[in-house]
Amino acid sequence: DQQVKQNSPSLSVQEGRISILNCDYTNSMFDYFLWYKKYPAEGPTFLISISSIKDKNEDGRFTVFLNKSAKHLSLHIVPSQPGDSAVYFCAASPAVTGNQFYFGTGTSLTVIP
Amino acid sequence: ETGVTQTPRHLVMGMTNKKSLKCEQHLGHNAMYWYKQSAKKPLELMFVYNFKEQTENNSVPSRFSPECPNSSHLFLHLHTLQPEDSALYLCASSQDGRRGRETQYFGPGTRLLVL
Repeated sequence: DQQVKQNSPSLSVQEGRISILNCDYTNSMFDYFLWYKKYPAEGPTFLISISSIKDKNEDGRFTVFLNKSAKHLSLHIVPSQPGDSAVYFCAASPAVTGNQFYFGTGTSLTVIP
Repeated sequence: ETGVTQTPRHLVMGMTNKKSLKCEQHLGHNAMYWYKQSAKKPLELMFVYNFKEQTENNSVPSRFSPECPNSSHLFLHLHTLQPEDSALYLCASSQDGRRGRETQYFGPGTRLLVL
């Protein structure tokens, strides 16, 4: 059973607008979350993280929001740029078990110029 | 991130073949990981090595055999694979896999097709 779900396989956004990618999880023991970005023919690259002691983390155009009660996190990209077109994966880890992450299936973002 | 390299990038093999995937990290990390990504499925962790010792084997069939001769190199030996083993195999590394809250850095992957 998937513990991390990204229910939108794809998303299209106009350049300059906000992109919102969503991720839901089921395991209440998860306390550390990552977002990765993947271009075709490349491995996933780390984008941004958030610990469960926070509800928001910001890095430039990227902000991750965590709603622990809803077991939901989201990645906001603003303003969106064509170079942001990629597949985005969220991953979650129960830190007590070391470094084992559970990944979602990814959301393919297309930013239209 | 170009600190993790994988060879070959593409591999086609028959079910009776034996082949090996190679991963090398140049980041000075002590933990290395093998993941499998099948179409429409999330990344699945296969094996974890910390300081050259295997610490995780997520019920992976014995036709997959990992080897970690040192903290910089990781191999995945393949033999008598099945067509359903066709997938993208990703290697990753992190500073110390015994700790939580660590970012893992991925290689570009090996696209494997089993005929």
